[in-house]
Amino acid sequence: EVQLVDSGGGLVQPGRSLRLSCSTSGFTFGDYALSWVRQAPGKGLEWIGFIRDKAYGETTEYAASVEGRFSISRDDSKSIAYLQMNGLKAGDTAVYYCARVQSESLFFDFWGQGTLVTVSS
Amino acid sequence: SYVLTQPPSVSVAPGQTARLTCGGNNIGSKTVHWYRQRPGQAPGVVVYDDSDRASGIPERFSGSNSGDTATLTISRVEAGDEADYYCQVWDLSSDWVFGGGTKLTVL
Repeated sequence: EVQLVDSGGGLVQPGRSLRLSCSTSGFTFGDYALSWVRQAPGKGLEWIGFIRDKAYGETTEYAASVEGRFSISRDDSKSIAYLQMNGLKAGDTAVYYCARVQSESLFFDFWGQGTLVTVSS
Repeated sequence: SYVLTQPPSVSVAPGQTARLTCGGNNIGSKTVHWYRQRPGQAPGVVVYDDSDRASGIPERFSGSNSGDTATLTISRVEAGDEADYYCQVWDLSSDWVFGGGTKLTVL
């Protein structure tokens, strides 16, 4: 069974950093790209970034809203993806989901349960 | 950047048909995917590649895509279908794009 488990969220002050983790099981992690999607309270879904698999150089792409502040990495030996968030702002308050990318059709076929990040002083 | 437009809400009586639309410039040339998000839960794919049902999704769910509008049709709507539904495409300039979501209310 494919599983993604998001963790690492919490309350953080503006300007500080936080790292989220996406622990996975049930599939060959190294064969898949992973993405992060967030959802602000009461709002819709926003794609924020993704990381390709090793065959494509583990390169990354980011939405303009987080470019330069957020970075995604992966550890294929542990089947974990990370979202490093720096310079957090109040507008980054959201539930953050990791999702597995179905690369042929470019959609998200499995999602984590999400982890809440609250940026507030 | 590419924009997807969904009506904020759709209401339908049980047993009737719900048609959830997703508008975008020449969206028919793109591949559309639909997600369902029940309250307090993560999203999950219901239809991908315009019209293919995800595993475990009943035949009551169907998708179509042509011109400037993609549609998720839910036949014989049940109370359990009440959720937020999001359309999504991949665009060369915008990467992954989501519509704003439609809240389906079963009356």
